[in-house]
Order: sequence, then C-alpha cells, then structure tokens
Amino acid sequence: EPEVTQTPSHQVTQMGQEVILRCVPISNHLYFYWYRQILGQKVEFLVSFYNNEISEKSEIFDDQFSVERPDGSNFTLKIRSTKLEDSAMYFCASLDGVGTEAFFGQGTRLTVV
Amino acid sequence: DQQVKQNSPSLSVQEGRISILNCDYTNSMFDYFLWYKKYPAEGPTFLISISSIKDKNEDGRFTVFLNKSAKHLSLHIVPSQPGDSAVYFCAASRGLYEKLTFGTGTRLTIIP
Repeated sequence: EPEVTQTPSHQVTQMGQEVILRCVPISNHLYFYWYRQILGQKVEFLVSFYNNEISEKSEIFDDQFSVERPDGSNFTLKIRSTKLEDSAMYFCASLDGVGTEAFFGQGTRLTVV
Repeated sequence: DQQVKQNSPSLSVQEGRISILNCDYTNSMFDYFLWYKKYPAEGPTFLISISSIKDKNEDGRFTVFLNKSAKHLSLHIVPSQPGDSAVYFCAASRGLYEKLTFGTGTRLTIIP
C-alpha cells in the first residue's frame, strides 16, 4: 500500500538553528499539507500546498517557516530559526485529486533544546 | 479555537461491546467529517468519513453518524476488539481539499 514517508523520525536541534523536515508524499497525489502536534495537544494545521504554491497557511506559519517541493517528489518544511516552542511532532499529509481522505506520514519528532 | 470538540478524553469498553465516540463542532461551514485513529509515535490513520449530504456511513465494523442540526457526529465500533485501543480524532473541513481541523482526541481502551 502506498504511504507517505517522513525523515528523519527524530531531530534534535539547538534553539536558533535551522531545520528541514522532509516528506515524500504518495506519488500521484496533488495536495500536500503539514500539521503539527505539540505534546498533549491536538493536531493543528500549518500549511497546505497545491500546484507549487501555498494555498493556505495558519497563524502559526510565520516568516520563520517555509515549504518547498524542490524536485516533484519531496515536500519539505523549513524552520529558519527554531524556538523551544517549535518542539512537536510534525506530520506531512497528502491527498489525491479525486478527493479521498488525506494520508499522513508517521511524523518527525522535533526537539529544540 | 475550539471548533471541533471531543468532550471525552478517554473511554473504556469491554471487548465485543459497542464503542461510541462523540464529536461536536461549531463551524456551520464544515462540510466533510473524518475519523482518524492514532497510535503513539505514528501518524493518524484514516478510518471513515462522511459528507454533510449524508447522515450515516458504514464501513465494516465502523459507522459514522452525522446530525447536522445538532452539529454532532459519532463513531460506532461494533464489535470492539483489543486492536481498536488507540486515540481517535474527529476532524472536519470545509471541503475535500481544505485543511482539517482536529478535535482533541479520545483515548479508547478495549478491555479483554
């Protein structure tokens, strides 16, 4: 069964450092998303991406965040200068063009120290 | 922002009995509702969905009911099995490709 793959599974970084979280969505999917879940809280939307541009972003997704689909297969989330409060599980999701449910990756646990 | 609420943080059910998980929403623009199951250290896994034009959708042991007037949906699992023990998230969106707004989750424990 096709799946969304995320790397790394766990990333520890120092406050102020840049991190890039990587995702390989399901190959024929057209819509891409990043969500995050801070420990003990609900899953919250960060950004959606379609046709090589951001279609919607949340208030969380400020200038420190960016997304890119550099080569037609990978979908990356970059945090330029990490803060302690960026520590969370980050989930990538993708959706095909027919409108079925979004498929989620297994997540990247980001720990900012 | 509490647009989607799951008021029961946890639920315990005997194996073989029915599990009923509830979800309420406040945004009348939501048009599409989904249930996801999540194990620790894994991503959410899709279970079942329903659009606002329906009031019921079934898939095997899972049935989702939607009451639009009450802005309430529920997930029924019958019979419940030990492998159903997980956190269940209700999610809603304004359309098929729109962002998902998640509830806080209900931890379901099936007692053998």
